[in-house]
Amino acid sequence: DGGITQSPKYLFRKEGQNVTLSCEQNLNHDAMYWYRQDPGQGLRLIYYSQIVNDFQKGDIAEGYSVSREKKESFPLTVTSAQKNPTAFYLCASTNRGFNYGYTFGSGTRLTVV
Amino acid sequence: GQQLNQSPQSMFIQEGEDVSMNCTSSSIFNTWLWYKQDPGEGPVLLIALYKAGELTSNGRLTAQFGITRKDSFLNISASIPSDVGIYFCAGQQGGSEKLVFGKGMKLTVNP
Repeated sequence: DGGITQSPKYLFRKEGQNVTLSCEQNLNHDAMYWYRQDPGQGLRLIYYSQIVNDFQKGDIAEGYSVSREKKESFPLTVTSAQKNPTAFYLCASTNRGFNYGYTFGSGTRLTVV
Repeated sequence: GQQLNQSPQSMFIQEGEDVSMNCTSSSIFNTWLWYKQDPGEGPVLLIALYKAGELTSNGRLTAQFGITRKDSFLNISASIPSDVGIYFCAGQQGGSEKLVFGKGMKLTVNP
């Protein structure tokens, strides 16, 4: 079955550490997105990529980095520069024709300990 | 970044009641989408609307694309406990492949 997979489901990070969240899709979608969700804040765009080897900053990119070396994969690194990283992170993808909105992964909950 | 005005922010209803929610914007959108998010999961697409005035149903859900292209509403009839979750509206503007989201409406259904 086609879909979008995020791993791990739960992640714990110590202060000062970088961590990488995985996002893989087998939907043959060109565009991929990373969102951060905090209670009552809705979905805030971190980074997005419309094509391999290219990506753009979203509204809250500071303290995050991404890469898009393969069409299927769009990993997100939460760096030590992100001062408040505890949140629920969602990855999404869509086709270039944008006919059906985004398909979302099931999310990764990151907690700083 | 831009965000849609979604209301209400939360609702507490009894099982069997209907619920309505809406999204408005000062800008025109070409596509309106409604998603539902279960606790601890990613949002799942419920209904997509592509034409102004379009009225679309999916089981007990009905959504409409406003005539002005600046708003949309979602109605859930005869609610059941599994309807609990957060409902998001999203819109797409012409020439953009980024969705604009509302802040979500948290629904609680009392059995």
